Formats: sequence, structure tokens, C-alpha cells
Amino acid sequence: TAGITQAPTSQILAAGRSMTLRCTQDMRHNAMYWYRQDLGLGLRLIHYSNTAGTTGKGEVPDGYSVSRANTDDFPLTLASAVPSQTSVYFCASSAQGGTGELFFGEGSRLTVL
Amino acid sequence: GQNIDQPTEMTATEGAIVQINCTYQTSGFNGLFWYQQHAGEAPTFLSYNVLDGLEEKGRFSSFLSRSKGYSYLLLKELQMKDSASYLCAVTNSNYQLIWGAGTKLIIKP
Repeated sequence: TAGITQAPTSQILAAGRSMTLRCTQDMRHNAMYWYRQDLGLGLRLIHYSNTAGTTGKGEVPDGYSVSRANTDDFPLTLASAVPSQTSVYFCASSAQGGTGELFFGEGSRLTVL
Repeated sequence: GQNIDQPTEMTATEGAIVQINCTYQTSGFNGLFWYQQHAGEAPTFLSYNVLDGLEEKGRFSSFLSRSKGYSYLLLKELQMKDSASYLCAVTNSNYQLIWGAGTKLIIKP
């Protein structure tokens, strides 16, 4: 079972360029999330989606956008990357929203120069 | 504000027992999670507590006291593969998940 697939695994990006991180799940989970993880900090929620067609802002949404056209896909777009967006990005899904176990993708390591 | 506190780093010996504490102050409470994260990998689910008491799952146990805003993760018969970060997270009254920064556990032979 694939679970959650993220792509790319790693990327180096010039500041000012745009980038889309892809996330696909095959578990038919309604809720999906994008987190960033930085050294010494907890996981921080960027955006979330409780069900297909809806999205919401998390703790650190500025500079990022998402879409949820269907249940399986939840891409994260950086319109104009800045060095402070250098981080490891995790996509996750849950069958039960805030009280359900989160299943994470393997992460995408993004470096903005 | 809302926050989760856990020690930054702990060291333990192979075969021993270690307890990782987590205290939380959140707007409401709808459950507490523990996740394990090996270096360079994604977090994986360990346990979920919503009622007070101890939940045992093999070598790992998780305890919750809602009145004290306190939880711990107990790892017994430590193995080298238990070297990882352990993340505490709480679901608040808005069903938002609040994460601690994680405790890095180092196991020594």
C-alpha cells in the first residue's frame, strides 16, 4: 500500500521562482494537511483541507497556496520562493480530522537560495 | 497562548526504561498523540489518549492526566532502534493539532 506519496523528495530552488510540491494519497481520507518542520520547532501547519473542495489556513500560511480538486491530491504551491521557506515539508492525511491518526508522506526537502 | 512542553533531548541505556514527559496548555482538549520520528524520516503514530490513565502497547505505554495537563511516554527494554525523536501533540477544542518540538532520545549501548 502506497499511503501518501510526495514529490519531489528534494529540491533546490532559486529565490523568486515558483514551485509546487505534490501530494497524493490512496487511502480515501477526507482530511489532508501540509506541515513544515524546522530544526528546534514543532511541526507547523501551513494549510489543511477537511474534504475535497475546501481548504483552510493553518498557523503559517503566508507565501503558500493549496487546492483540493479531488480526494486524493493536495498540492502545495510557493508562488515566489524566499530563503525562509527552506524547510522539510510533510503532507499528511487523516480519516477522522483532528482526533484521528495522521499518516505522513516521506517529506520534501526544499532549499531556497 | 497554546503550547506543548517536552524535554529537548534525553539519553538512556540499551535495555533500560525511559519516561518522556509532555505538559500542555491548550484551549480545550480532545486528545493527545505521541509520534515517533527517526532522523530523516516521517513521523509515525505511536499512541492516542483521550481519557485519563495508562494505555499499554507492547514495550511502549502512554499516560494521560487531563487535570494536570500532563502526559508521558514510557519505553521499556530499550533497543538501539528506539533512538528517534518523540513528538507530543494535543487536539484542542477547535480540533486543531498543537505540536511540541519533540524530544530527541539517544540510546547508548
